[in-house]
Amino acid sequence: EPEVTQTPSHQVTQMGQEVILRCVPISNHLYFYWYRQILGQKVEFLVSFYNNEISEKSEIFDDQFSVERPDGSNFTLKIRSTKLEDSAMYFCASRPAGETQYFGPGTRLLVL
Amino acid sequence: KNEVEQSPQNLTAQEGEFITINCSYSVGISALHWLQQHPGGGIVSLFMLSSGKKKHGRLIATINIQEKHSSLHITASHPRDSAVYICAVRNTGNQFYFGTGTSLTVIP
Repeated sequence: EPEVTQTPSHQVTQMGQEVILRCVPISNHLYFYWYRQILGQKVEFLVSFYNNEISEKSEIFDDQFSVERPDGSNFTLKIRSTKLEDSAMYFCASRPAGETQYFGPGTRLLVL
Repeated sequence: KNEVEQSPQNLTAQEGEFITINCSYSVGISALHWLQQHPGGGIVSLFMLSSGKKKHGRLIATINIQEKHSSLHITASHPRDSAVYICAVRNTGNQFYFGTGTSLTVIP
């Protein structure tokens, strides 16, 4: 069964460094999402992406964040200059039109 | 401000019990999702609803659009149902709002 994959599974970085989190959505899906979950807190929406552009973004998704779908298969989230409070689990998800989402296993980011 | 409210926050049940988790929301929606988050952190989508009722195995999800309320029911609960159940809504754009989750423990 097709699944959403994410790499790396864990990443440790120093504050101020750039990180790129990678996702490979399911191949025939059209809508792509990034979410984060700070330890012990609820899942939060970051951004949705459709037709090669951002369709919605939350207040969390400020200028430090960007997304790209560089080659038609990968979907990346870049955090330009990480802060301590960016430490969280980051989930990617994708879905076809009119159907539910499929979540990746997540990348656990720790900013020191 | 929480666009999505779930109750209860925590729930402990004996194996075999019928379980109900409730979700209320305050935004206009195009769809409501019930998700299951396992202890290891992985998230699985259980249902996507825009009206009425859906059933999958021992799980039933209902939604009342007028009342902005949804329920997730688990019949004949089993210890393997122990997880966090999350209600999430997609607004009329493509943005999602999540509840804080209901932590369910089913005791053998």
